[in-house]
Amino acid sequence: EVQLLESGGGLVHPGGSLRLSCAASGFNFNRYPMSWVRQAPGKGLEWVSAISGSGTSTYYSDSVKGRFTMTRHNPLSTVDLQMNSLRVEDTAIYYCTKNPYDSGDLPYYFDSWGQGTLVTVS
Amino acid sequence: DIQMTQSPSSLSASVGDRVTITCRASQTIDDYLNWYQQKPGKAPKLLIYGASSLQRGVPSRFSGSGTGTSFTLTISGLQPDDFATYYCQQSYSAPQLTFGGGTKVDIK
Repeated sequence: EVQLLESGGGLVHPGGSLRLSCAASGFNFNRYPMSWVRQAPGKGLEWVSAISGSGTSTYYSDSVKGRFTMTRHNPLSTVDLQMNSLRVEDTAIYYCTKNPYDSGDLPYYFDSWGQGTLVTVS
Repeated sequence: DIQMTQSPSSLSASVGDRVTITCRASQTIDDYLNWYQQKPGKAPKLLIYGASSLQRGVPSRFSGSGTGTSFTLTISGLQPDDFATYYCQQSYSAPQLTFGGGTKVDIK
């Protein structure tokens, strides 16, 4: 059974930093692109970032490019999201998600989601 | 960026009703369209991928159709467990992925 467990959320002041982590299990981790998707309180879903299975390619939405960095450590089956220069509008639940198949570098959609971790910038 | 527009934003329906949700893309996305269901306080769940393929384990009362710029999610015979918010998502412009604004289905 695929499991994704996020951690690292919390309260941070504008301009501050936070690092989220996601521990994955139940699948051959290093073959699958992974993504972070966020949801502001009472709002819809927004794709934030993705990383290829090898970790050599990363992708970001325009809203976080230059401020967020996604990395992965395949031997430990973890992905991280380093968030710098945080803004009030980054307040959201952040979900760790898995691509449903080995698509090489690119994420396409998400067949597994973690429970989410709340980031509050205030 | 490809914009995804869902309609309606909310609807009220009764158990047993046939429900249709529409998703439109700002440009053609072929069949790179996926649907999710989200219940309050829970993570989204994948229902449909590739516009019309049912994710394993999803009840057959859910179906998807469409291609190009216009897509629909249909629930044939709404069940109590189906009251939730539904989102479409395009993957045509991967890795830049975008979601629709959501459609909330509640009890009439």
